[in-house]
Amino acid sequence: ELKVEQNPLFLSMQEGKNYTIYCNYSTTSDRLYWYRQDPGKSLESLFVLLSNGAVKQEGRLMASLDTKARLSTLHITAAVHDLSATYFCAWRDSNYQLIWGAGTKLIIKP
Amino acid sequence: DAGVIQSPRHEVTEMGQEVTLRCKPISGHNSLFWYRQTMMRGLELLIYFNNNVPIDDSGMPEDRFSAKMPNASFSTLKIQPSEPRDSAVYFCASSAGHNQETQYFGPGTRLLVL
Repeated sequence: ELKVEQNPLFLSMQEGKNYTIYCNYSTTSDRLYWYRQDPGKSLESLFVLLSNGAVKQEGRLMASLDTKARLSTLHITAAVHDLSATYFCAWRDSNYQLIWGAGTKLIIKP
Repeated sequence: DAGVIQSPRHEVTEMGQEVTLRCKPISGHNSLFWYRQTMMRGLELLIYFNNNVPIDDSGMPEDRFSAKMPNASFSTLKIQPSEPRDSAVYFCASSAGHNQETQYFGPGTRLLVL
């Protein structure tokens, strides 16, 4: 079964701390996506990682991709309250469609 | 570009009634997706279209659900008859297609079936 596993599924942390969300996928893929969803809102694309070793950064968020390990990480540096959201990863399968993880709900306390 | 447009934004109906959700994808996108999101089951892909043709409807829960895409700028998701367990947020998303798979999501329709 094709699947994506995110962990943790829930994370509560203090402002100023660093943390990493992990996304494992079950088969080979060369493209990995990260999305953000604010409470009660829609999903918004954050990053597209296109190749092994790809790293992208936007503000306090940095995403990386290791296709050999079938692992992507989303690292949060010096978290701020505004980053509280649910973060989804998704990978592209052989039919060029996205397979979604369950999401990581991140709460950052002031 | 206005992005993906969905209507209605909120729908409250009684069990047994027909519900029709509408979606206008981003102009020029040739793939369209319908998702359902609930607390219990997370984000589920219901069906997707490529060039107006349904490609995979394996996620459609049962015969009460149907989806159409009569042209490149419009799609509907219909539930008939609706049941309380259909209560969820329904998202429509579109993408530009092969090698441009980033999906752009609409604001969603919050459906409550009483």
